[in-house]
Amino acid sequence: QSALTQPASVSGSPGQSITISCTGTSSDVGSYNLVSWYQQHPGKAPKLMIYEVSKRPSGVSNRFSGSKSGNTASLTISGLQAEDEADYYCCSYAGSMVFGTGTKVTVL
Amino acid sequence: QLQLQESGPGLVKPSETLSLTCTVSGGSISSSSYYWGWIRQPPGKGLEWIGSMYYSGSTYYNPSLTSRVTVSVDTSKNQFSLKLTSVTAADTAVYYCARLIYGGVVAGTPTAFFDYWGQGTLVTVSS
Repeated sequence: QSALTQPASVSGSPGQSITISCTGTSSDVGSYNLVSWYQQHPGKAPKLMIYEVSKRPSGVSNRFSGSKSGNTASLTISGLQAEDEADYYCCSYAGSMVFGTGTKVTVL
Repeated sequence: QLQLQESGPGLVKPSETLSLTCTVSGGSISSSSYYWGWIRQPPGKGLEWIGSMYYSGSTYYNPSLTSRVTVSVDTSKNQFSLKLTSVTAADTAVYYCARLIYGGVVAGTPTAFFDYWGQGTLVTVSS
């Protein structure tokens, strides 16, 4: 059970859109529409942002959206804001739960 | 509002057993459709799922940790616990407890995600 692969860092200017990829295999991301995304600010607990690939929990901004194609899931943040600067982790069901390697988002 | 709070020793000696408890408030640990789990994060590193359990006793563990991990529940106290044996410095991490929404993977509408998290507790393994 290997960690899902994410880019180490992604950056963008305020107002821009960025996309974070999460690459797995046909045994995890590719097999189930059960990818979730978590935002983590320094020193804080992770916060659920997206579940079941593209669903947003109540209270999460519609600037956050998710998608999946094959073995790769993606999180897009549109209208980037300073408060979006954080670490982001994907997670997939794979018979058990497996997290991604994490991506640091920097707002320039 | 559901709240989870981890508690336990912040320092454990190598080869000993790490024991943590998660107290759930604002909801019942015996509610159907909810699993309860543990996730850890070594300093400066990513998240790692440790294991999850249903209040009835069904447990699921990370294959890389299964020989050392036990997750159990005490419904009378609305708590669940983690035990990790034979710890080494590599087990130093912030440990989070979380609620796992899980079900329907075999039949029905599948779902699996962590919706509520505790604030986390740092456990250092050192002599």
